[in-house]
Amino acid sequence: GESVGLHLPTLSVQEGDNSIINCAYSNSASDYFIWYKQESGKGPQFIIDIRSNMDKRQGQRVTVLLNKTVKHLSLQIAATQPGDSAVYFCAETPPNYGGSQGNLIFGKGTKLSVKP
Amino acid sequence: EPEVTQTPSHQVTQMGQEVILRCVPISNHLYFYWYRQILGQKVEFLVSFYNNEISEKSEIFDDQFSVERPDGSNFTLKIRSTKLEDSAMYFCASSFTESLNQPQHFGDGTRLSIL
Repeated sequence: GESVGLHLPTLSVQEGDNSIINCAYSNSASDYFIWYKQESGKGPQFIIDIRSNMDKRQGQRVTVLLNKTVKHLSLQIAATQPGDSAVYFCAETPPNYGGSQGNLIFGKGTKLSVKP
Repeated sequence: EPEVTQTPSHQVTQMGQEVILRCVPISNHLYFYWYRQILGQKVEFLVSFYNNEISEKSEIFDDQFSVERPDGSNFTLKIRSTKLEDSAMYFCASSFTESLNQPQHFGDGTRLSIL
């Protein structure tokens, strides 16, 4: 759900389980989406991206799913490891940028906690 | 792997003072960005910069803010007269192009604390 102020949605998983982190994006015309991982004291780190003409893209241990009908983006992490513990942000590119990134609009983030 | 570097990691400044945050983008990147993140909140866009001029700026980026690329490697954000509400993490990012296959890469940020 939505977070307010300091309270981020938190997902707690057991090491080795799969994780699914969800994001509702704001603009139905956005055409580019990115997932970033942010560890404590660090900047956002690129994980995976997807364009609006796709509904699924796979990387190493990660899969991004895009459902444009309901403006929903998800990040699936297979065999979650303690090193995956971080805050995960989705970001979208506003539609007025055509084929360019432009500035990114970030979601509020989900904190993933992996229990060993 | 090349990375965006930011200095200082933590800056403490008195309200009303000027502050300059520094960034060295990835060397072959052409597009540069500043974002900020107030504690516990989401990352917010401030400004994008290309070919020695501002491409776009947000409502946050008012007249107190300016950006500059003083030489071939540095990209700076200046806040002329800091306010308490400027306290935040400031992230620099860069990308090779604006195309959708070249994502923005972020530095580890400068924590700005205004007293």
